[in-house]
Amino acid sequence: TQLLEQSPQFLSIQEGENLTVYCNSSSVFSSLQWYRQEPGEGPVLLVTVVTGGEVKKLKRLTFQFGDARKDSSLHITAAQPGDTGLYLCAGPDKKTSYDKVIFGPGTSLSVIP
Amino acid sequence: GAGVSQTPSNKVTEKGKYVELRCDPISGHTALYWYRQSLGQGPEFLIYFQGTGAADDSGLPNDRFFAVRPEGSVSTLKIQRTERGDSAVYLCASSLRLAGGPTDYNEQFFGPGTRLTVL
Repeated sequence: TQLLEQSPQFLSIQEGENLTVYCNSSSVFSSLQWYRQEPGEGPVLLVTVVTGGEVKKLKRLTFQFGDARKDSSLHITAAQPGDTGLYLCAGPDKKTSYDKVIFGPGTSLSVIP
Repeated sequence: GAGVSQTPSNKVTEKGKYVELRCDPISGHTALYWYRQSLGQGPEFLIYFQGTGAADDSGLPNDRFFAVRPEGSVSTLKIQRTERGDSAVYLCASSLRLAGGPTDYNEQFFGPGTRLTVL
């Protein structure tokens, strides 16, 4: 069974601080996605990482896919209150031939002004 | 707007009642997904439609849950004899189902969800 774990579960930091959140599995994934979900909204895709060791940057957010494609990290530089939300990682279910994804439980980030 | 919409945004019902949750996907999106998200958890897959047919309903928890998409656009998730454990946010997502390789991923666009509370 493919499972995704995320840590930490909760994170509360001051504006301007840096942070890293993690997504781990014992299974290999062909790709991993990161989503951000704000209260009362659905998840919004931030990035998809595909190649082991890949690093992608989206403004102040840096995403890395592990060499073995079993883990990923999201690093935020100089966090802002607008970064507050639930960060979810997700990966394709290898048992299906369509875009079924398995989500991790998420990291709830709160950035205090 | 052009995004996925869901109605109602909130639904409060009593144990044992029947509810219907509606999803309007992005026009032209052939793939439609329903998820359930409990507090502190990520979305959990319920059912996938490709066009009008339910291609994978393996995530439906039991036979009280049923979903339809009769014309390949709007979908309705139906829950009979609701239980307190059904309380959650029900999310709908749609995507273009394009042919691709094993690392291709067709982005799913999510609606805002329906918060269901069963008293």
